[in-house]
Amino acid sequence: EAQVTQNPRYLITVTGKKLTVTCSQNMNHEYMSWYRQDPGLGLRQIYYSMNVEVTDKGDVPEGYKVSRKEKRNFPLILESPSPNQTSLYFCASSFSNQPQHFGDGTRLSIL
Amino acid sequence: GQQLNQSPQSMFIQEGEDVSMNCTSSSIFNTWLWYKQDPGEGPVLLIALYKAGELTSNGRLTAQFGITRKDSFLNISASIPSDVGIYFCAGHFTGANSKLTFGKGITLSVRP
Repeated sequence: EAQVTQNPRYLITVTGKKLTVTCSQNMNHEYMSWYRQDPGLGLRQIYYSMNVEVTDKGDVPEGYKVSRKEKRNFPLILESPSPNQTSLYFCASSFSNQPQHFGDGTRLSIL
Repeated sequence: GQQLNQSPQSMFIQEGEDVSMNCTSSSIFNTWLWYKQDPGEGPVLLIALYKAGELTSNGRLTAQFGITRKDSFLNISASIPSDVGIYFCAGHFTGANSKLTFGKGITLSVRP
C-alpha cells in the first residue's frame, strides 16, 4: 500500500531535549516536505527536499533541521525544542510538480 | 509566506444541502488542489485542477480552476454526515520548489 509513514504519532517532551520525527515513503517520490499545522494558521512549510542530498528552507524553518540521505526517508530534527514548536506536523511526498500525499501527522507537545 | 484566502472559517449546513467554498489568491498558480482533513489524519487529495477554466468532478464534488488562475471553488452536492471535516485549498506554482501554498481551511459541519 502506497503511504507516507510518520513516527512517532504523539510525543510529549521537555524544552531542550533533542528529538527526531521520522518520515518514510514507499512510492519512490523525489519530492518530500515537512509542514506544521497550527490553529488559525493552516499548513506552513518548514523544509523541503527535491531529491537525495538536496534540501532547502520553507516558510518557517527556524529551529528545525532536516536531512535526505536516502530517497525514502526525510527526518525532521529539533535540536533544542521550545514550547513554540508545539504543533501538529505533517510529512508529504510526491513526484516533482505532482499533488502531494500526506502522512497521518505527529502531534508534538514541548513543555 | 503567502497564504490563500478561504472564508468563512466554519460552515454549518443541513444534511442533503449543497455547499460551495471559494479560494482566492493575489498570485497566479499553475495548479489548484482541494484537500480534506478528517480528525486525527493528514489531508487527503480530493480534486486536482491543472488548467485555467477546468471543471472537474469527483462523485458529489465539483471544482473549478478560475480563468484568472487566481481562484478556485469547490462544490459539494447533497451533503452527508461523512462530509464533515476541514477543507483546504492549495495552490501550486511549478518550479524549483514543489511547495503547496495552503489556505487556512474551512471546517464543515453537517447536521443530520
